[in-house]
Amino acid sequence: DGGITQSPKYLFRKEGQNVTLSCEQNLNHDAMYWYRQDPGQGLRLIYYSQIVNDFQKGDIAEGYSVSREKKESFPLTVTSAQKNPTAFYLCATTRDRVYNEQFFGPGTRLTVL
Amino acid sequence: RKEVEQDPGPFNVPEGATVAFNCTYSNSASQSFFWYRQDCRKEPKLLMSVYSSGNEDGRFTAQLNRASQYISLLIRDSKLSDSATYLCVVRPLNNDMRFGAGTRLTVKP
Repeated sequence: DGGITQSPKYLFRKEGQNVTLSCEQNLNHDAMYWYRQDPGQGLRLIYYSQIVNDFQKGDIAEGYSVSREKKESFPLTVTSAQKNPTAFYLCATTRDRVYNEQFFGPGTRLTVL
Repeated sequence: RKEVEQDPGPFNVPEGATVAFNCTYSNSASQSFFWYRQDCRKEPKLLMSVYSSGNEDGRFTAQLNRASQYISLLIRDSKLSDSATYLCVVRPLNNDMRFGAGTRLTVKP
């Protein structure tokens, strides 16, 4: 089955700890994205990557880091510098940067205690 | 002002009703428009793209008004399964997608 997987589904961490969220895709899509969703707000772009070994900051990159060592994988690290990390994190892909339709993974709900 | 604005609702309608949502956007250079559906605690899924001439997919009709910078979604003959949050998404030229906060719809028996 082609698709996007995110793990874990739920994640609990103590304040001050770094945590890495996984995103894997087998759609052979070039572009990958990380969004954050908070109640009452639209999705906000954290980082995106158009190609392996390249990524760009989105609107709210502070306190986050990413890597794109393989086409299939785009992990997101939430660092201790992120002031309000509790949120629903969504990974998405598009065939390429021009193509419009975004496909989303099932998301990871992060709670920082 | 938010780039994409939607009435958060909730819209509570009976089965079989017709319901319409509007969405306004601020960037006049926006080129692509979409409606996504998001079920509670799930990921968004594309419902339909919105074309300049308007388009229909079964019970769903989307319209675009570039002059007034809004798009609309009309759902006819509402089903219980239509209950969800509907996200308006706009993409300015050469830029990233901008998401509205969503309009929540509940269809009741």
